[in-house]
Amino acid sequence: EVQLVESGGGLVKPGGSLRLSCAASGFIFSDNTMAWVRQAPGKGLEWVASITSTSRHIFYADSVQGRFTISRDNANNSLYLQMNSLRAEDTAFYYCARSEYTSAIAFYDYWGQGTLVTVSS
Amino acid sequence: DIQLTQSPSFLSASVGDRVTITCRASQGIATFLAWYQQKPGKAPKLLIYAASTLQSGVPSRFSGSGSGTDFTLTITSLQPEDFATYYCQQFENYPRTFGQGTKVEIK
Repeated sequence: EVQLVESGGGLVKPGGSLRLSCAASGFIFSDNTMAWVRQAPGKGLEWVASITSTSRHIFYADSVQGRFTISRDNANNSLYLQMNSLRAEDTAFYYCARSEYTSAIAFYDYWGQGTLVTVSS
Repeated sequence: DIQLTQSPSFLSASVGDRVTITCRASQGIATFLAWYQQKPGKAPKLLIYAASTLQSGVPSRFSGSGSGTDFTLTITSLQPEDFATYYCQQFENYPRTFGQGTKVEIK
């Protein structure tokens, strides 16, 4: 059974840092592109970042470019999101998601339960 | 960036109704589109990928269609468990943008 379990969320002051983790199991982690998606309370979904299977290609939303870093450890089946210079508008539930492909068309087929990041003084 | 516009943003429907949600892309995305369902306090759940392919385990009352810029998610005979928020997402390029969501509520 595919499982994605996020951790590391919490309350942080503006300007602070936080590192999120996503522990993957039930599939060959090193085969898949992975992503972070966030959702501010009561708002819609926002894609944050993606990393390909070997970390060769990394993509960020403009809203986090230069402040957030996505990374992965294929030996330990883990995905990370290092978040620096946090702002109030980064307050959200953060989900990790697995990207799958069919006929070169991608989609996110499994999602974690989410971890809440609150940026407030 | 590719913008996705869903309509309506909110709809009120009854059990048994046929429901149609539209997602329009700001530029052509072939069939690089997925649909998700999200219930309060839960993670999104994949319903449809490649615009029209039903994810395994998803009831057949859900269907997707479209290509290019105009896409549709249809729920035939709405069930109580279908009251949720629905999102489209494009995978044509980065950033992987989402539509703003369509909340389906009980009439």
